[in-house]
Amino acid sequence: QKEVEQNSGPLSVPEGAIASLNCTYSDRGSQSFFWYRQYSGKSPELIMFIYSNGDKEDGRFTAQLNKASQYVSLLIRDSQPSDSATYLCAVNMGGYGGATNKLIFGTGTLLAVQP
Amino acid sequence: NAGVTQTPKFQVLKTGQSMTLQCAQDMNHNSMYWYRQDPGMGLRLIYYSASEGTTDKGEVPNGYNVSRLNKREFSLRLESAAPSQTSVYFCASSRTGGPVEQYFGPGTRLTVT
Repeated sequence: QKEVEQNSGPLSVPEGAIASLNCTYSDRGSQSFFWYRQYSGKSPELIMFIYSNGDKEDGRFTAQLNKASQYVSLLIRDSQPSDSATYLCAVNMGGYGGATNKLIFGTGTLLAVQP
Repeated sequence: NAGVTQTPKFQVLKTGQSMTLQCAQDMNHNSMYWYRQDPGMGLRLIYYSASEGTTDKGEVPNGYNVSRLNKREFSLRLESAAPSQTSVYFCASSRTGGPVEQYFGPGTRLTVT
């Protein structure tokens, strides 16, 4: 059983709309959560991380965490065609401040923003 | 500051051949990681090294060995390549402690025929 689940998509949204990407995880002890963006043929790059319940905003991106429901999401406001990529959710199951930052990745959601 | 570098970028092997994938980082990070990425499977951790001199298995270690040569370098060796090891391999590094970012190298695309 995959420990981090994402809908593989593709999620198609029109330019300017809000894209909502979702992720669930199985380990209740998980402490920190990451969203990576990966363009086709490229390596993953971090968009943002979150470790407290609630919302965290960074520009057009908002991460939302609900530990009780074991659910983390990423909202992208004013979506642009350049946002078209695969978005990977990753969970640190080693705990906050652990000796390693071992991450478990979901399979990713492909986002397509239509001009 | 090159970040995380990997060599080679592409490689084709025949079944049974061996090779070593090289990874180096110049960010003075303690922790380094090797992942493989297959279609529909996401990134899966092969091995990681929390600090110089230590290595540990990840989710899919079978068929691989690693060496943490020094703080900068972490290599991945395939002793006897199999078609199932056809994949894109990413090396990553991070500092330790707290919810920190893993920085990824550009990847090595490996095909085993």
